[in-house]
Amino acid sequence: GQNIDQPTEMTATEGAIVQINCTYQTSGFNGLFWYQQHAGEAPTFLSYNVLDGLEEKGRFSSFLSRSKGYSYLLLKELQMKDSASYLCAVRDQAGNMLTFGGGTRLMVKP
Amino acid sequence: DAGVTQSPTHLIKTRGQQVTLRCSPKSGHDTVSWYQQALGQGPQFIFQYYEEEERQRGNFPDRFSGHQFPNYSSELNVNALLLGDSALYLCASSLEILANNEQFFGPGTRLTVL
Repeated sequence: GQNIDQPTEMTATEGAIVQINCTYQTSGFNGLFWYQQHAGEAPTFLSYNVLDGLEEKGRFSSFLSRSKGYSYLLLKELQMKDSASYLCAVRDQAGNMLTFGGGTRLMVKP
Repeated sequence: DAGVTQSPTHLIKTRGQQVTLRCSPKSGHDTVSWYQQALGQGPQFIFQYYEEEERQRGNFPDRFSGHQFPNYSSELNVNALLLGDSALYLCASSLEILANNEQFFGPGTRLTVL
């Protein structure tokens, strides 16, 4: 089975940097995804890691360590519109199923 | 380019009833997955359809069933509704041959069971 943990809530200030951590214990692994979900809306894709290391995409970066079962999402130059839930999801070995963590609700304050 | 669409947007049912939710995948996609998202939680995988067959299933009872049509669209059926079935039901589509196999989500159907 899969177990994915991430903090429930975080608060940060506009313009700052925030790191959202995700740890996972899985029976199989074929990639880790980060999604952003605004209240009442669909999750939207942010990043994908399958090898160890850092993937950078504008203000967003994601890091993966497969040996530690650990990932983080780094958000730079925070904007008010970044207030949302951030979902960490692990894909199973077969490559079909995503198992999501509970999501981290990020509140950005002025 | 049309994204993933779902219908209806909202639905209210009573316990014991049956419901059918519909999903049209993103243009060019051939795989459809269904997820249930309870309030304040992450989505939970129900099942995935590819080539009109259920390929993989999560930990959901047989009351949850589905179908994929030749045009890749899909339906989710839930029988004998329980109060606990109240949730946002998300459909996600992807393209099988892509290594990344990123799943694109639709806006969801909000189901309320009274």
